[in-house]
This record gives sequence, C-alpha cells and structure tokens, in this order.
Amino acid sequence: QSVLTQPPSVSGAPGQRVTISCAGSSSNIGAGYDVHWYQQLPGTAPKVLIFGNNNRPSGVPDRFSGSKSGTSASLAITGLQAEDEADYYCQSYDNNLRVFGTGTKVTVL
Amino acid sequence: QVQVVESGGGVVQPGRSLRLSCTASGFTFTRHGMHWVRQAPGKGLEWVAIIWSDGSKKYYAESVKGRFTISRDNSKNMLYLQMDSLRAEDTAVYYCVRDSIAPRGFWHNWFAPWGQGTLVTVSS
Repeated sequence: QSVLTQPPSVSGAPGQRVTISCAGSSSNIGAGYDVHWYQQLPGTAPKVLIFGNNNRPSGVPDRFSGSKSGTSASLAITGLQAEDEADYYCQSYDNNLRVFGTGTKVTVL
Repeated sequence: QVQVVESGGGVVQPGRSLRLSCTASGFTFTRHGMHWVRQAPGKGLEWVAIIWSDGSKKYYAESVKGRFTISRDNSKNMLYLQMDSLRAEDTAVYYCVRDSIAPRGFWHNWFAPWGQGTLVTVSS
C-alpha cells in the first residue's frame, strides 16, 4: 500500500515539458526526508533517475530535474523524447520503512 | 562493476516456502544495507524489507511481517529472503537492491543498483 501519491499517467508531445507530482505527508516528505525518483523502462528493472531531491547520477540527461516543497515533490522532464516513455516512481523514508509512490506512466504522443 | 544478481524464484503452492538469494559483487558489501523490493504483474513497486550492513537491524513491510525473513552472510557477499506461508498475492518479481550511503544520514539513502529480478509465482 503506497503512501506517496502520483498521477497514474501524464503525456506530452516530443519537445514538450511534463511534470509528475508526488504527494506525501508529515511523516515522510514533510518530515524532511529526501525524495528519490526511479525510471523503469518497459521490461527492465528500475534505475535511479534523481537522488536527494534534485541530484542526477552521471549519465542521466539534464532534461530531468527534481524539486521538493513541503509535503510534496515533483519530477520535471523538459524536451520530452520518445525514449522517455516509461514508468516513474518517487520514493522516500517513513518511520523506519521505505515507501514508494503509486507510479506514473509517461506517454510520448 | 557494481552488481547484484538474484536467484531462487519459481512456482510454489500457496502455504509453502521459498528462499531467494542475491549475490553481490563489485563493492564492499559490509558497508551497505540491502533491500528486497517487489513488483506484482502489471503493478507498481512495493518495498519489502531492509537489513542493515552488519545485520543488526531488520525492518519489514506490514504485508510480509511475520512471514518473510531477510538475512545476509557478509562472509559470502550474499543476501537472502526466506518466504514462508506464501499467498497468491505474493506473486511478483523480486528485486535485490543496494542501499546507497547518503552523507546526511541513512534515512536519506536511495536504491542503487537494482538486480534484474527473479519471478515468484504462488499458485496451486
């Protein structure tokens, strides 16, 4: 049972900007714990896309960016590309446990 | 390179047990906590359990508490998940995942890398 809520789907044309929200609460994101984002391409294992709210691992394009405010966080993809079509999950910490978002499918029109 | 590889998945009847294994390589295993994360067919990610680097602490998701046991053998760079009293709803791909080491404290850690996953199917 996910405690972080994301929209089920977002879509955009190539080159557009899309954002994915991640709504938490005072026991996780609102408590100051970092938010991380994972990308899962079809048929593959997830990989970290953003860590520590707004940091990109080496090799992740700078069109991906993260932000956090209050009890929520967001992932933005600018200059959407066909290879960005995937599932995206946010993740944080809550009372000794790790929690994931409900997941968002990004479709490139 | 840093790598984790799962094994041990398969088809098992409801109520039976199964043990998953994860082989770690390319990093100092004793420095990192380790997790199991699962994904039911067509569903999202669900965190299952964590074991601290020295094995001193373990935490579980409510959905598996009392039925699953996470353990590790630091002498062999191995992680395990003993799954007892399996149910149909435990059917999923199970991923072995390394905990990162965040500079500001373990509660800020993220998951990297992930294994390729091993499929567990609970069915009669």
